[in-house]
Amino acid sequence: AQTVTQSQPEMSVQEAETVTLSCTYDTSESDYYLFWYKQPPSRQMILVIRQEAYKQQNATENRFSVNFQKAAKSFSLKISDSQLGDAAMYFCAYRSALNAGNNRKLIWGLGTSLAVNP
Amino acid sequence: ETGVTQSPTHLIKTRGQQVTLRCSSQSGHNTVSWYQQALGQGPQFIFQYYREEENGRGNFPPRFSGLQFPNYSSELNVNALELDDSALYLCASSDRGGPYEQYFGPGTRLTVT
Repeated sequence: AQTVTQSQPEMSVQEAETVTLSCTYDTSESDYYLFWYKQPPSRQMILVIRQEAYKQQNATENRFSVNFQKAAKSFSLKISDSQLGDAAMYFCAYRSALNAGNNRKLIWGLGTSLAVNP
Repeated sequence: ETGVTQSPTHLIKTRGQQVTLRCSSQSGHNTVSWYQQALGQGPQFIFQYYREEENGRGNFPPRFSGLQFPNYSSELNVNALELDDSALYLCASSDRGGPYEQYFGPGTRLTVT
């Protein structure tokens, strides 16, 4: 079974600085998708960025980028020029590329709480 | 484009009671997934519905059941509520035939006393 591990329960960053959140996963599959979601105090889970395992190029979305290391099964999120609105829980999630039954589910880490200090 | 909506926002029930949570999927999406998120935890997959049929289920007992309607909206029903059912229930919609991202609603906070 696949697992997702986020080893940093809490992180903090100064406004305008850069922070990296870590995520590792375990799978025997070769094709899958990885996601970072943000959950602010409003509770709504917001998709931040996604990565397809078959793509070697790291995904980038404005101030958010990932460092995807497939062999190491590592998927870290870098937030540049941090803003106060970035403060939230950040979850790393895995989804199999197989489209049968439970394979379509997202498997989640425990999350990292990010504080942004002014 | 209408996003995912859920109702109610908050709910308080007594142990042993039954509850129904509702979700309207994002426009154009035909698949709905339900997740349970306990306090301080990541979400756990309950089940997924596609074309009104259950299409995958996580490790939840049969007292967790669901429905999907022709307009792709969905309900999550929980019978014989237990204290451990207290959690945030998240609904996510996606397009099975298109991009694989799941888009989430704001959740329903269920408290069982």
